[in-house]
Amino acid sequence: GAVVSQHPSRVICKSGTSVKIECRSLDFQATTMFWYRQFPKQSLMLMATSNEGSKATYEQGVEKDKFLINHASLTLSTLTVTSAHPEDSSFYICSAPSSGQGAWITEAFFGQGTRLTVV
Amino acid sequence: AQSVTQLDSHVSVSEGTPVLLRCNYSSSYSPSLFWYVQHPNKGLQLLLKYTSAATLVKGINGFEAEFKKSETSFHLTKPSAHMSDAAEYFCVVSDPSGGSYIPTFGRGTSLIVHP
Repeated sequence: GAVVSQHPSRVICKSGTSVKIECRSLDFQATTMFWYRQFPKQSLMLMATSNEGSKATYEQGVEKDKFLINHASLTLSTLTVTSAHPEDSSFYICSAPSSGQGAWITEAFFGQGTRLTVV
Repeated sequence: AQSVTQLDSHVSVSEGTPVLLRCNYSSSYSPSLFWYVQHPNKGLQLLLKYTSAATLVKGINGFEAEFKKSETSFHLTKPSAHMSDAAEYFCVVSDPSGGSYIPTFGRGTSLIVHP
């Protein structure tokens, strides 16, 4: 079946540095990618929706300059956490609709997640 | 607007006994409903989905769920729990409210399986 590959699975970085997280759709083209953040013992919070070739749509309260999203190709979307601080430590997960684009109607495929720890 | 409520934050069962994870939803449309499982520090895996076909949906690993419109419920069940079922389970609703099918996740239910 379709697979979304997310990398890295874990990253530890120093405060003030930037971290890039990649999500690739391995055997299908994903023109839409959803990015989620998950705090311990909590549900997934949608941060933004990226669309290939256009600007990402951010949810209310999510800093666009802090969380840079780039969807440069049909199989790759990236999330860059800029000038990371300890409060950015979290589990980040990407997801692509099974249709590859637009609506999340039938199901979505999730990446393995990235555990970010900022020290 | 759509919403989903997972009634229990934790469910504890003994291995070999039945599992019931409860989920209620609210939607102004005919929603799609999903159950996902998440093991520690892993992504989410689809267990099963309801998309307006049969109301009793069978999923992977022996799980099933029944869509009950009159009760606005989509509870997840399994006849006999296995140790490997211990994980976090999310109920998800998706409908065209707001002009797009952005899904709403429940808060999650942690399933604990005792030997």
